[in-house]
Amino acid sequence: EAGVAQSPRYKIIEKRQSVAFWCNPISGHATLYWYQQILGQGPKLLIQFQNNGVVDDSQLPKDRFSAERLKGVDSTLKIQPAKLEDSAVYLCASSPGSSYNSPLHFGNGTRLTVT
Amino acid sequence: AQSVTQLGSHVSVSEGALVLLRCNYSSSVPPYLFWYVQYPNQGLQLLLKYTTGATLVKGINGFEAEFKKSETSFHLTKPSAHMSDAAEYFCAVSVPSGSARQLTFGSGTQLTVLP
Repeated sequence: EAGVAQSPRYKIIEKRQSVAFWCNPISGHATLYWYQQILGQGPKLLIQFQNNGVVDDSQLPKDRFSAERLKGVDSTLKIQPAKLEDSAVYLCASSPGSSYNSPLHFGNGTRLTVT
Repeated sequence: AQSVTQLGSHVSVSEGALVLLRCNYSSSVPPYLFWYVQYPNQGLQLLLKYTTGATLVKGINGFEAEFKKSETSFHLTKPSAHMSDAAEYFCAVSVPSGSARQLTFGSGTQLTVLP
């Protein structure tokens, strides 16, 4: 089966600019996650979707970050305006269901550098 | 709230030597535990998981981990390291939280395998 696809792989922007990341999960996976991984740290959940509904966005900085999952398939994560501390790898993951023993399938991530 | 502590941000072993990566967790409810591996510029890949039942869990690439409730530990081991095992390893704990799944990652352990 095809894996989780993310684009772009790398992005360099200046602070206060905006940026968007795209994710296509594994076909049929109902649950989609966006994680932020800062260098030297483990991934931190930003937002979780179940189909096209938000299940958990408690750690999403909503003043600058937004995400959507139209039609319950692809998802877009946006940052506007970006700050230096947003430099990180943004990982998208998907899983078949919402039960908490389902393993996550991760994409290769988008590495964002904010200068 | 749950948390994960990985002891040792960097571990070096010689090729053929035992690999031991330490993970301790805290959780107020019975957790599910995971080990993920991340190769450079890639997403995370599931190595193994503990949900219920047998406390010794075998995963891919010859890795295994033992859930020890009394020690709140889930250490990852491999009898004989191979050069291809060099990567970053993340321990994660998952507990139910309403309709969402709380999956918390540790900060990771970078494994170096010396020839």
